[in-house]
Amino acid sequence: DAKTTQPPSMDCAEGRAANLPCNHSTISGNEYVYWYRQIHSQGPQYIIHGLKNNETNEMASLIITEDRKSSTLILPHATLRDTAVYYCIVRVEKSGSGNTGKLIFGQGTTLQVKP
Amino acid sequence: KAGVTQTPRYLIKTRGQQVTLSCSPISGHRSVSWYQQTPGQGLQFLFEYFSETQRNKGNFPGRFSGRQFSNSRSEMNVSTLELGDSALYLCASGPLDAQYFGPGTRLLVL
Repeated sequence: DAKTTQPPSMDCAEGRAANLPCNHSTISGNEYVYWYRQIHSQGPQYIIHGLKNNETNEMASLIITEDRKSSTLILPHATLRDTAVYYCIVRVEKSGSGNTGKLIFGQGTTLQVKP
Repeated sequence: KAGVTQTPRYLIKTRGQQVTLSCSPISGHRSVSWYQQTPGQGLQFLFEYFSETQRNKGNFPGRFSGRQFSNSRSEMNVSTLELGDSALYLCASGPLDAQYFGPGTRLLVL
């Protein structure tokens, strides 16, 4: 699985959009970009994933550049409860039951949302 | 739908002892993965079970083992505990596109 690079920390004002970048310049054509977050002392929480098209769900939006070498997770209106460590992971997807639960976590970005 | 549950939530053991941790996945999930989280090494993959078979294994010594039962519940065992095994042990279950993590078992080895 490709390596990812994230800034170690970021701040964001409450109510503003939080834009978390991730570089994955060695990503392969069959690797998806996943985002998880971990709020202090809890298990990681799945946020969103995508291959090459932008994705949006009730939690966040994922913007992947056309060359797929980087992506940005957007939390549109950050709240204090979004303070967490955010992990960007790339992973090969296989069809059916060939996919695995193995995730390789880096150090992530610690997002601090401030009032 | 109930989430992933892990028992016990907290555990204190002494060096040389062994420990068994339990994980009940979300109903219908067949994949269960285990992770160790420490301040120094971060989140590290231990192993994954799918339909009672170990499908993936991380880079941990043989003291770490696991199994999965026919109802998808999983246990992991650590034998001959060392101080460095103190960590948060997380279990995750999934359909195969996203993993859903439990709250973890915090193990302290004295």
